[in-house]
Amino acid sequence: QSALTQPPSASGSPGQSVTISCTGTSSDVGGYNYVSWYQQHPGKAPKLMIYEVTKRPSGVPDRFSGSKSGSTASLTVSGLQAEDEADYYCSSYAGSNNYVFGTGTKVTVL
Amino acid sequence: EVQLVESGGGLVQPGGSLRLSCAASGFTFSSYWMNWVRQAPGKGLEWVANIKQDGSEKYYVDSVKGRFTISRDNAKNSLYLQMNSLRAEDTAVYYCARGYSGAWYGWGQGTLVTVSS
Repeated sequence: QSALTQPPSASGSPGQSVTISCTGTSSDVGGYNYVSWYQQHPGKAPKLMIYEVTKRPSGVPDRFSGSKSGSTASLTVSGLQAEDEADYYCSSYAGSNNYVFGTGTKVTVL
Repeated sequence: EVQLVESGGGLVQPGGSLRLSCAASGFTFSSYWMNWVRQAPGKGLEWVANIKQDGSEKYYVDSVKGRFTISRDNAKNSLYLQMNSLRAEDTAVYYCARGYSGAWYGWGQGTLVTVSS
């Protein structure tokens, strides 16, 4: 199972929006609505930000939103804040009880 | 609040074995699928294995099949990963994570496994 493709980096100024893409295939992202997104600060454990493509867990700011079109999912962070600077990973169910992660995107707040 | 605390990591020689443990609290452990996810130094995340609530179903990423065994003890609110025939490419931080609707909601702080001679 190949990793999902994410851009290595993305950036934006405080208050701006940044969108991260996550491209898979019809066997993973395109085939299931089990796409999730994780935020990871250096030296810390990942934190769930979005699940089932668009849902936010309790406590996650509504500045974070998810979407999907075909085999590409996206995470948008609106109103960028300094604390949003982190690595972000997407993940998808890939059938047959397998899961695949994205390659990761480093978000920089300028 | 979901709390997961991993232990058991360390330095092991290639071909050796190690058993990781994860102590859970703050939620009804026996009601959730549980997972191990790893992250090699400076690399991305990789799902390793998961286990059903009652332990009746277990699944693994291809690269660890036949070498790793996931298990759980609901009476002790604990998750385990027995790792045998370890290879250099198994070097990673291993996270315990609670399954939730195709995602992982609640992660431990991780335990580092280093496979090296």
